[in-house]
Amino acid sequence: EAGVAQSPRYKIIEKRQSVAFWCNPISGHATLYWYQQILGQGPKLLIQFQNNGVVDDSQLPKDRFSAERLKGVDSTLKIQPAKLEDSAVYLCASSLTGRVETQYFGPGTRLLVL
Amino acid sequence: AQSVTQLDSQVPVFEEAPVELRCNYSSSVSVYLFWYVQYPNQGLQLLLKYLSGSTLVESINGFEAEFNKSQTSFHLRKPSVHISDTAEYFCAVSQGGKLIFGQGTELSVKP
Repeated sequence: EAGVAQSPRYKIIEKRQSVAFWCNPISGHATLYWYQQILGQGPKLLIQFQNNGVVDDSQLPKDRFSAERLKGVDSTLKIQPAKLEDSAVYLCASSLTGRVETQYFGPGTRLLVL
Repeated sequence: AQSVTQLDSQVPVFEEAPVELRCNYSSSVSVYLFWYVQYPNQGLQLLLKYLSGSTLVESINGFEAEFNKSQTSFHLRKPSVHISDTAEYFCAVSQGGKLIFGQGTELSVKP
């Protein structure tokens, strides 16, 4: 069974530029999560989708971050414009139903904002 | 809101020594607890979880954790570590289906 796929793996941009990350969850998983992991900290949830609807985006900085999951499968997270403090690893995860269960994580996208 | 505290940011140990990584959570009516491991340049992988039933849960590679409701703890233990156990370990609690993570403990196993 294929795992959660993410691309790109690494990205370096300058502040005020825009960037997009892509995630393809495990086939059949209804729930998709985006986490931000700043160096030295645990992952923090940015947004949770159930199929193509948003369940929780309370921690998403909506003035600069946006995310979509139009067909209920893969998802894109965008930052525009990027700030220095956005330097982090962006992790995508998926789970079967979104209830209390195992989440499966992708390898992450490491973003450096200069 | 739930919170998780991992008391040690770094734990250096020698190979074949025992290890304990500490985790405390804020109390709640229903608690679901997880330990994830992150090897260098990889995503997080589930190590073990407590949902209900026996308070002692085990992983396939020799780790175990005990849910202690009175002390609001979920410490991770292994009686004898290997070099390959070197990684970052995250304790997490589930809240409404989302995971709230601790800040992580870096386990460094030395020969």
